[in-house]
Formats: sequence, C-alpha cells, structure tokens
Amino acid sequence: SAVISQKPSRDICQRGTSLTIQCQVDSQVTMMFWYRQQPGQSLTLIATANQGSEATYESGFVIDKFPISRPNLTFSTLTVSNMSPEDSSIYLCSATEENTEAFFGQGTRLTVV
Amino acid sequence: AQSVAQPEDQVNVAEGNPLTVKCTYSVSGNPYLFWYVQYPNRGLQFLLKYITGDNLVKGSYGFEAEFNKSQTSFHLKKPSALVSDSALYFCAVSPFGGYNKLIFGAGTRLAVHP
Repeated sequence: SAVISQKPSRDICQRGTSLTIQCQVDSQVTMMFWYRQQPGQSLTLIATANQGSEATYESGFVIDKFPISRPNLTFSTLTVSNMSPEDSSIYLCSATEENTEAFFGQGTRLTVV
Repeated sequence: AQSVAQPEDQVNVAEGNPLTVKCTYSVSGNPYLFWYVQYPNRGLQFLLKYITGDNLVKGSYGFEAEFNKSQTSFHLKKPSALVSDSALYFCAVSPFGGYNKLIFGAGTRLAVHP
C-alpha cells in the first residue's frame, strides 16, 4: 500500500499558539482522515478531509479549533488552533485507496505546555 | 450508539501458548471489521479484516480472527504467541461498510512473557 509521511513527528508548543501538521501520501488516495489519540486512550476520528471542499467533522470537533485542508488527492493538513494542555495527544493521518483498508502515518506527538 | 468494546485492558500470555484478544461491536447494518497493531512510537499497522464470507480470516504474522454475527464479536487469535507480539491491539469497525471512517475500540495491551 501507499506510504504516509507526517510532519512534524513531534513538537512541544506553548499554550495559545497553533500548530499545522502535514500529511503527504506517496500516491493518490480515495479518502483521508485525521484521528486523535489522547494519552493512554484509543483513536477518535476528528474529521474526514474532503478534497477541494470543507472537511466533515465528527461530533465534538469544530472547524475553528481544527481547520483542515486537502488541496489534492495526496496531501492534507490539520491545524490545532489556540492550543491548551488538553490538546496534548498523538495526531494521526489515515488514508484509504480504492477498496483497501485504511493505512496510517507514524503520527505527530504534540505536547502543549 | 455505534461502539466497539475491547473488554480487556491487558492480556498476559506465555510464549508458545495460544492467545485471544476479544472484541465486540454494536453497529447497524453490515460493517467491515478490522484489527490493527501499534508498536511503541510507531503508527498503526493493519493485521486483518472481515468483510464477508468465511468467518475465520487469516492475516499478518500468523494472526487470525473469528467473526461471529450472532454474538457481534470479532476476536483476534494466534495459536502460538511470540514475545515479539507484545504490543497494543485495536479492533476497529467501519460502521457503514466499505473502506470508510473507523470506530476504534479502547485497545488491548498484549504482553507475551518468555
């Protein structure tokens, strides 16, 4: 399957600032998703990144806090805005190709201080 | 509400013994079912999936899983555990079928002891 590269792999940020995470796939994919994995917990879907249009957010997540872009079939960004310590998590990009299971990037480990 | 349950936070097994990691789900329709494994400081790796057909599916690294529709379960199994199998295992469901967004269970940490 295709390979996802996520940048940065980790970061330590000051509260009140914003961080943009990049997700690059080495081939065109059908769908792209962003998940959050809080410390010691499972993965929760933040949103589906839609190519050329607004992302589809899950309950509890809003565009102002987590703006997402997907300008083409291989790239997406997630911004974590106005960060607080509660945003400290691993953020994972995921993608699917036609009729294949989802694959994941290595994740971005975010610590907000 | 749609959900996935992994009732065990941790499973301990001796190397060479069989292992089972349990998963039950509550979704409507005919979901796709998946198992993923997460090693420390690494992303999730796909192990196996059930879409339709034979209730016993085989996947990577000698793992297999048994789908039981009446019990809405999808337990992960391996006949002989290895120390290198020690990792965090996630059961996931695509509730509407297809390769779409996933609902994950809480995860089960598997510890295989020499």
